[in-house]
Amino acid sequence: QKEVEQDPGPLSVPEGAIVSLNCTYSNSAFQYFMWYRQYSRKGPELLMYTYSSGNKEDGRFTAQVDKSSKYISLFIRDSQPSDSATYLCAVTGYSTLTFGKGTMLLVSP
Amino acid sequence: GAVVSQHPSRVICKSGTSVKIECRSLDFQATTMFWYRQFPKQSLMLMATSNEGSKATYEQGVEKDKFLINHASLTLSTLTVTSAHPEDSSFYICSARDSRGGKETQYFGPGTRLLVL
Repeated sequence: QKEVEQDPGPLSVPEGAIVSLNCTYSNSAFQYFMWYRQYSRKGPELLMYTYSSGNKEDGRFTAQVDKSSKYISLFIRDSQPSDSATYLCAVTGYSTLTFGKGTMLLVSP
Repeated sequence: GAVVSQHPSRVICKSGTSVKIECRSLDFQATTMFWYRQFPKQSLMLMATSNEGSKATYEQGVEKDKFLINHASLTLSTLTVTSAHPEDSSFYICSARDSRGGKETQYFGPGTRLLVL
């Protein structure tokens, strides 16, 4: 079983839709959870950072962590064409990040 | 957030030459930096962990004599691709570990696109 599983997509939605991106992980020692956004030919940009279980909201983005089921989610409200990118989940216990393979999101106008 | 820069952003070189890529954390000190490689439409692949003042730790399958890493200061790590060959053409991305205030995350540079002819 891979340490972090993430559906590669692509996920296509119309502008204004609510987007749900998800990852599952296998190691219960992971305590820090992140979502990165990566545009083509650019480095990943940290979107959301969460420690332990719970929700965190930042503008149109909400990150959710459920440690009991080892499941993390990113919700994007009122999605925009500029949100079209690859979204990578990342988890860590200490230092080295373990990434999901990334989900490509396409938001059409 | 935090800012990590990389230089150059793009480099084209002839086969057999060496290429140096710099990674700098601009607004915080990073004792640990990481070097990744990414092929088109694939996820990030960790190459090595760079610790300030000590030898880098390489992932399995990454040749340490080919990819030389130096982390001489708390804000600068360099990756040198020695005797580059066309198969080394890729997108190289660095990141800096941020553990300030109990946090544990990484901020990435914008990446360096290497093309070896």
